[in-house]
Amino acid sequence: GAGVSQTPSNKVTEKGKYVELRCDPISGHTALYWYRQSLGQGPEFLIYFQGTGAADDSGLPNDRFFAVRPEGSVSTLKIQRTERGDSAVYLCASSPHNGYNEQFFGPGTRLTVL
Amino acid sequence: SQKIEQNSEALNIQEGKTATLTCNYTNYSPAYLQWYRQDPGRGPVFLLLIRENEKEKRKERLKVTFDTTLKQSLFHITASQPADSATYLCALDGDNFNKFYFGSGTKLNVKP
Repeated sequence: GAGVSQTPSNKVTEKGKYVELRCDPISGHTALYWYRQSLGQGPEFLIYFQGTGAADDSGLPNDRFFAVRPEGSVSTLKIQRTERGDSAVYLCASSPHNGYNEQFFGPGTRLTVL
Repeated sequence: SQKIEQNSEALNIQEGKTATLTCNYTNYSPAYLQWYRQDPGRGPVFLLLIRENEKEKRKERLKVTFDTTLKQSLFHITASQPADSATYLCALDGDNFNKFYFGSGTKLNVKP
């Protein structure tokens, strides 16, 4: 079956612009995670959804970052007023219930802020 | 929060040998620990999960140990192959199972 997909695969934007990154989890997975990964580092937790609600958003670095999952499936990570420091690979992962089970990761979106 | 340490230096081994990777953590003991493999340009792929009350878990050529006294997990790949070359990440659950902390990973190079 289809795995986790993320679009776009690459996004180049200018400082100050707004971007949206999309994640399509595996069908039926209720848990969804967003991570950010910088070069040479491991994924850094951003936010966790259980169904439609954000169960833990403590990893979001500041109020420029926001994520939604309105129907409990597709999720969108939104970044306002992008800064060069936001450049990274943004990973999405889904899990059948919660991360107590394995997490299935998408290929990521590489965001470059010029 | 949790601080996780994985050897940042690449591990170079000869094909057929056993690779051993280390994951150390410094704060609270997690309820469970996961190991992932990541290839360049791809998302991590789950390999194994071990719970705090388990000492060892095996899957084919892979073995994971978990020592809550030492606050350490070891990941072993026996009879290593060049195809095992990748970065290996350990991940620990947060204190409420809602978040996960990943180490920075160790790059494994298996030479033929």
